[in-house]
Order: sequence, then C-alpha cells, then structure tokens
Amino acid sequence: DGGITQSPKYLFRKEGQNVTLSCEQNLNHDAMYWYRQDPGQGLRLIYYSQIVNDFQKGDIAEGYSVSREKKESFPLTVTSAQKNPTAFYLCASSTTWGALGYTFGSGTRLTVV
Amino acid sequence: AQSVTQLDSQVPVFEEAPVELRCNYSSSVSVYLFWYVQYPNQGLQLLLKYLSGSTLVKGINGFEAEFNKSQTSFHLRKPSVHISDTAEYFCAVTMKTSSDKVIFGPGTSLSVIP
Repeated sequence: DGGITQSPKYLFRKEGQNVTLSCEQNLNHDAMYWYRQDPGQGLRLIYYSQIVNDFQKGDIAEGYSVSREKKESFPLTVTSAQKNPTAFYLCASSTTWGALGYTFGSGTRLTVV
Repeated sequence: AQSVTQLDSQVPVFEEAPVELRCNYSSSVSVYLFWYVQYPNQGLQLLLKYLSGSTLVKGINGFEAEFNKSQTSFHLRKPSVHISDTAEYFCAVTMKTSSDKVIFGPGTSLSVIP
C-alpha cells in the first residue's frame, strides 16, 4: 500500500548536535511538507516543497534545513541553531492540487537530552 | 490570509452521546475545508472534506460536517460516540486558488467517558 514512512519514530539528541529526520513517500505526490507539533499549539509549518530541487520556508523555518533531491524523499535536518527542538515532527504529502487532502506519516518524536 | 478557530480545546462526552466539535474560519476568498483526526503518538488522518456542492459532508467513522458559508463555520458532528473516538481533532482550510498550503486550527481534544 502507498503511504509515507517517517523514521525513526523516537530520536534523542544531545544539545549542539544536528539530527536528520527521514521522510519517504511512494504515493507519487509532488508536494511534501514538514510540520512541528507542540502540546496545545496545533501544527506549525516548517518547510514545504512543491517540486524536486525546490522548497520554501514555512512559518518557523529558523534552525531547520531541508533538501528535495528526489520526488520520494524530503529529509529534515534539525540544526544546533534550533533553540527548542524537542517536539513531535510530522511529514505530509499531497498532489500539487492539495484539495484532495494531505497524507501524513506517523511522526518522529525528537527529544533533546 | 486565512485563519481557523476551534473554540473548544477539550470536549468530554459520555459514550453513546452525541458530540459537536466547532470550527470557524476566516478568509477573503473561497476555501476548501477539512477535518483530520489524530490518535495518540500517530500522524493525522483525513476524516472528511468539503470542496463544493452539498453542504453536508459525510466522512469515515460515522462523522459528518456541515459547511455554513454565512457563518463561516464547518462544525463536526457524530450522533453517538465510542471510546475509540477519543483523539485530537483538527479543522483545516485552504484557498481554492492555491490549495497546496493548508492552515490548521489548534485542535480539539475529544475524551469519551465510559
């Protein structure tokens, strides 16, 4: 079955380290998104990409970076510049015409120790 | 710019009782509307969507929502809830002219009490 795979499910990071969260989809969707979820704050958009080799900053891009070298893959790097990285990270994808709705991965919970 | 308001952050309801989760949006252009459900430690799953046509939309798990343009609302309802409906529910909106970017509401936590 088609879907989105996020890995790992749980990730622990020491302060000052960069970490990369994986997101892979086999839905042949053009657009992919990264959201951050904190308790009581809903979803906040970090980055999105509508086509390979192109991406745009969302509302909270500072301290994060992405790449889109393949249609299927949209990894997110949480850099040491991100002041408060502990959160639940969700990857999503959609057709370019997103009215069909988003398909979400199962998320990665990042904890800074 | 669009925005989404979910007035109730938490809604407790007894099992087999009806429930309504409220969603209001603001937008200067026509929109598409969505409801998503999130179970603990999981991603979001699309419950239903309104694109056009009939204002009453039926979704999965017995949920339905009604689009009210004059009140800019898209409330989610279920006539009889089950324990398994305990989850976080998100209302979302996107512009018809640029529907690749979605704005999510803050979420409503539904707790079904046995």
